This record gives sequence, structure tokens and C-alpha cells, in this order.
Amino acid sequence: DIQLTQSPSSLSASVGDRVTITCRASQTMSNYLNWYQQKPGKAPTLLIYAASSLQSGVPSRFSGSGSGTDFTLTINSLQPEDFGTYYCHQSDKAPRTFGQGTKVEF
Amino acid sequence: QVQLQESGPGLVKPSETLSLTCIVSGGSISPYYWSWIRQPPGKGLEWIGFIYYNGDTLYSPSLRSRVAISVDTSKNQVSLKLNSVSAADTAVYYCAKGGRYSHDAMDVWGQGTTVTVSS
Repeated sequence: DIQLTQSPSSLSASVGDRVTITCRASQTMSNYLNWYQQKPGKAPTLLIYAASSLQSGVPSRFSGSGSGTDFTLTINSLQPEDFGTYYCHQSDKAPRTFGQGTKVEF
Repeated sequence: QVQLQESGPGLVKPSETLSLTCIVSGGSISPYYWSWIRQPPGKGLEWIGFIYYNGDTLYSPSLRSRVAISVDTSKNQVSLKLNSVSAADTAVYYCAKGGRYSHDAMDVWGQGTTVTVSS
């Protein structure tokens, strides 16, 4: 199985900050790495797919990068509505797996 | 716009079978992949498995012996059955739409349904 380890597990930031979340895979993988945002009591929503492609309707302050074993989600100019928990997810190999999540707080 | 709605019993007794349905509206079951994911209270996301519109399935190894996902294209719905449940299966269960290819991300999610396993 591909294990995904996110860092940090939580962070506190301010409006306007640049936030970076890292997802490290336990083995080299193709760029089938996706990022989701989840708010309390709600279903996750897709932000980034295939490592760096922005999902339709997602603000351009969100971006993804990386390859191999190291992937990054960046939020430029953090907005109040960006609080929540972020998960990376690999759809490269079976079984599909998720990172443990990164909680973004203000 | 495709929308997903999960439904099923909110309470299941230990050792019994959990059965959930995901109704797909605003779009067709084909030619997409459909996944089930669960989230125990206060914890992260766990992938259960997926089904292609033609019935091909892939399951998590940790649940494979107890899980079955099926699709009914005539009713535009996807179903999940998990047998021999225990308290560890208590979670919010989500269905999600994938793409035309197995590697595609899950771009539409249902709101989730809470299942508690308790006597």
C-alpha cells in the first residue's frame, strides 16, 4: 500500500498568509495525487487533481505541485473561508489511500 | 450538475449487515467510477472501494472479505453492503463520483450518512 504522510498535522495561520501543506508518499508514484478540503460536518470537496490541476470552480489561490514521493498544496493569501481540514489522496495504486489530514485554523 | 444522496439505516446491530444506497441525480451512472469512503467520528477518511458502471469492482484489502458494492444503472444507484459489522464500522459513509478512468479523482461527493453500530 502507498502510505501518505501529511505535514504538518495542524497549523494556525492568519488571513493573507501563504500556507503550504506537504504530502509524502511511502513509495514513488505517478502524479495521481489529489487534494480535498473538508469543513466540519460536511463532505470533502475536490481542490486539486493529478498533482497540479485546479478543479473547476476552485479559487486560483489554491495550487498543487510535486512528483515522485513529495507533493505540496499551497494556499496563497489565505481567506477566512479556507479554514478546515485538508487531505491528500492517491489514486495511483490499489488500494487507494488518504493522508491523515492537516487542520488549518485561524 | 450531478448530485449524490446516500441513504440507509442509521443504526445497525453488531454482527448484522450494513446496507446503504447512493442515488445519482442530474446525470448518468455510465461511464464513470463510483466510490464509497467512510470517516469514523473525529478521524480521517478511509477508502472502502469502487465500482465501474459495468460492474467491475476494487475493494480495500482490509474490508474485502466483508464488503460488496453493486450498481443498478436502471435505477441510477450504487449500493454498499458490509457484513458482520462491529463498533469499529461506526462512521459517516460517503459515496463519490469518479471519472471515466480508474485513476481519476472523486469530483462529486454525497453529503454522507451516519451509521452507528450498537445493540
